[in-house]
Amino acid sequence: EVQLVESGGGLVKPGGSLRLSCAASGFTFSSYSMNWVRQAPGKGLEWVSSISSSSSYIYYADSVKGRFTISRDNAKNSLYLQMNSLRAEDTAVYYCAREGGQGNFDYWGQGTLVTVSS
Amino acid sequence: EIVMTQSPATLSVSPGERATLSCRASQSVSSNLAWYQQKPGQAPRLLIYGASTRATGIPARFSGSGSGTEFTLTISSLQSEDFAVYYCQQYNNWYTFGQGTKLEIK
Repeated sequence: EVQLVESGGGLVKPGGSLRLSCAASGFTFSSYSMNWVRQAPGKGLEWVSSISSSSSYIYYADSVKGRFTISRDNAKNSLYLQMNSLRAEDTAVYYCAREGGQGNFDYWGQGTLVTVSS
Repeated sequence: EIVMTQSPATLSVSPGERATLSCRASQSVSSNLAWYQQKPGQAPRLLIYGASTRATGIPARFSGSGSGTEFTLTISSLQSEDFAVYYCQQYNNWYTFGQGTKLEIK
């Protein structure tokens, strides 16, 4: 069974940093591109970042470019999101999601809440 | 950026009836379109990809159609567990989601 479990969320002050993790199991993690998608309270879904299976290709939404860094450790079956210079508008539930073969997101974690507030 | 527009924002339908949800792209996304279902407090679940292919384990009452800029998700006979928010997503040029359609019980 595919499982994605996020952790690392919490309350942080504006300008602060946080590192999210996503532990994967039940599939060959090193064979799949992975993504972070966020959802602000009561709002819709926003793609944040993608990383290819071997980390060769990395992409970011304009809203987080230069502030967030995605990475992965295939030996540990783990995905990460380093978030720096956090803003109030970064407050959201952050989901990690596996990219299916065609670009859709076929499995999602349960999410971890990041709250940016003074 | 490709903008995805879903309509209506809220759809009220009785159990057992058919629901039709629409999604429009600001430019062609070919068939690179997915639909997701999200229930309160839960992660999104993939329903349809490639505009019309059901994901693993998705009941046959869910069907998708369309290509280019106009897409439809149809739920043929609504069950109680189908009342949720539905999002479309294009993955032709990066990834963007629609704002969602809330399907509520009439």
